Amino acid sequence: GQQLNQSPQSMFIQEGEDVSMNCTSSSIFNTWLWYKQDPGEGPVLLIALYKAGELTSNGRLTAQFGITRKDSFLNISASIPSDVGIYFCAGLKGAQKLVFGQGTRLTINP
Amino acid sequence: DAGITQSPRHKVTETGTPVTLRCHQTENHRYMYWYRQDPGHGLRLIHYSYGVKDTDKGEVSDGYSVSRSKTEDFLLTLESATSSQTSVYFCAINHAGTSGSSYNEQFFGPGTRLTVL
Repeated sequence: GQQLNQSPQSMFIQEGEDVSMNCTSSSIFNTWLWYKQDPGEGPVLLIALYKAGELTSNGRLTAQFGITRKDSFLNISASIPSDVGIYFCAGLKGAQKLVFGQGTRLTINP
Repeated sequence: DAGITQSPRHKVTETGTPVTLRCHQTENHRYMYWYRQDPGHGLRLIHYSYGVKDTDKGEVSDGYSVSRSKTEDFLLTLESATSSQTSVYFCAINHAGTSGSSYNEQFFGPGTRLTVL
């Protein structure tokens, strides 16, 4: 089935560092969503992007909808321990069917 | 909090037995979804509903059926569970079409961990 390629698969960083992750696809999407998932819980929506080239921030998080509509990026500035978790990108094409990336597992060393 | 509850939260069953998972929402959302999450695959859509008695298949619908007889409840049934259906199952809702919202933002429940022995 259709998949998004999310990278990196895992990251090990020091507290205070900035984080970058991205998602690419061979298909065009009209909406990109970024989620964070903590152990034993459901994914939580962080940022939604609706227009190509759009740059949106949510606190220390910034995400961009790629101009080609085939990719998206998420940046986290000045990481803190509670940023630990798995981050997922998701693309929406047409109707109601979201396609998810495989996730980026973020680990932070204090 | 998107007002979504899932039951049961954990279930262990044997191969060949029927299993039904329930998703309940309290905010009258039109769209509801069932996903499964497996290591290395992210979340994959099983079925979704766009209204009472209106459902459609997702990416991995084989072996699953759904029903929605009331707006607030979306049921996922495994008619004869197999070990390959061991997974974490998430229900989600979409705010699109609710209270004038046109945004396709999906919000997830807490999940049900199903183990098929």
